[in-house]
Amino acid sequence: GNSVTQMEGPVTLSEEAFLTINCTYTATGYPSLFWYVQYPGEGLQLLLKATKADDKGSNKGFEATYRKETTSFHLEKGSVQVSDSAVYFCALTGGGNKLTFGTGTQLKVEL
Amino acid sequence: KAGVTQTPRYLIKTRGQQVTLSCSPISGHRSVSWYQQTPGQGLQFLFEYFSETQRNKGNFPGRFSGRQFSNSRSEMNVSTLELGDSALYLCASSLGPGQRNTEAFFGQGTRLTVV
Repeated sequence: GNSVTQMEGPVTLSEEAFLTINCTYTATGYPSLFWYVQYPGEGLQLLLKATKADDKGSNKGFEATYRKETTSFHLEKGSVQVSDSAVYFCALTGGGNKLTFGTGTQLKVEL
Repeated sequence: KAGVTQTPRYLIKTRGQQVTLSCSPISGHRSVSWYQQTPGQGLQFLFEYFSETQRNKGNFPGRFSGRQFSNSRSEMNVSTLELGDSALYLCASSLGPGQRNTEAFFGQGTRLTVV
């Protein structure tokens, strides 16, 4: 079946540091890939998505590229802010609406 | 436009009781999915409904059930509650199947505590 593996957290960075959160997946066919963010006490918000190989999703300074050859979808941001502190989830769908999530990576950004 | 609305936000129930959670999707969205989020198991898919029909089901016991109404609103029910059912239950709405690239919008969730 489908699965998503993302790096363990928590990740602690200083403001303006570079962020990478690794995500790899296992899926049959051609899944769509997503990054969701969850702020404390909230539901999930879609951060970005990519629907086919070599697509780059981007939003609010975050980027991720759909790499089929390495089955990866790593999240990056060039300069993080305190307000980016949250839990980040990598996820995929295999053609329907069912999302398979990674375990989540907690990010803490300090001044 | 209004987002996904889940009610109630918080619930405390006793073991053995049953509970019903409600989800109103975004207007025009016809697909509703439910997820359970716990610290130990993370986010797990419960089921998906479209046009009042269950389209997909996760690996949960029969105590977990759901339904969808003609206005796309959905409810999920958990019977004979166990301590392990304590979790954040999230509802997501999307346009529907066949919309392969559609985005899923999540509600704020219902925090269920079983004591």
